[in-house]
Amino acid sequence: AQSVTQLGSHVSVSEGALVLLRCNYSSSVPPYLFWYVQYPNQGLQLLLKYTSAATLVKGINGFEAEFKKSETSFHLTKPSAHMSDAAEYFCAVSETGANNLFFGTGTRLTVIP
Amino acid sequence: DAGVTQSPTHLIKTRGQHVTLRCSPISGHKSVSWYQQVLGQGPQFIFQYYEKEERGRGNFPDRFSARQFPNYSSELNVNALLLGDSALYLCASSSGTGTANYGYTFGSGTRLTVV
Repeated sequence: AQSVTQLGSHVSVSEGALVLLRCNYSSSVPPYLFWYVQYPNQGLQLLLKYTSAATLVKGINGFEAEFKKSETSFHLTKPSAHMSDAAEYFCAVSETGANNLFFGTGTRLTVIP
Repeated sequence: DAGVTQSPTHLIKTRGQHVTLRCSPISGHKSVSWYQQVLGQGPQFIFQYYEKEERGRGNFPDRFSARQFPNYSSELNVNALLLGDSALYLCASSSGTGTANYGYTFGSGTRLTVV
């Protein structure tokens, strides 16, 4: 069975500060892992994905995430927050070869000027 | 190029009614998936269709059904609506099946309110 836990439903950071959004997963087989962003009244946009290649994955808008198998984690980071980063972020897991995603409950990021 | 198009954007239905939601995938994409996103939660997988065949089904009751047409557009139907069906329904298109090799592109969703 697969599942995703996102620690912290709300995270606030100051503009220019480090962004860290936490994601832990559970999967009985090697997982594929994804981070999506959702702006108000919009669909989901893929930020980055891990598919068993490099453990450090770089995505769009300066975001990156590191797959740590020993910690079953896939935390999302960005060195310097921008006001435009304020949104809802979802971590998702998929089994190898699967055609659907299991999403976490999301983390709402607020950026304080 | 147009992205994933969903219609309508919003609608309000009464308990017990039926609803049809529509999705047009990106041109050239043959796979459409449907997700339900209840307020405050992450999206939940409902169906995936590829080349007009159902390729996956999530844990939803039989009141939920879908189909895909020859032009790869898709409909999601929900019968006997319940208050708990109120949600944002997201459609995602991809060029194939398999989440790793074929990325999803999501539409902006249809906001369904059941009263």
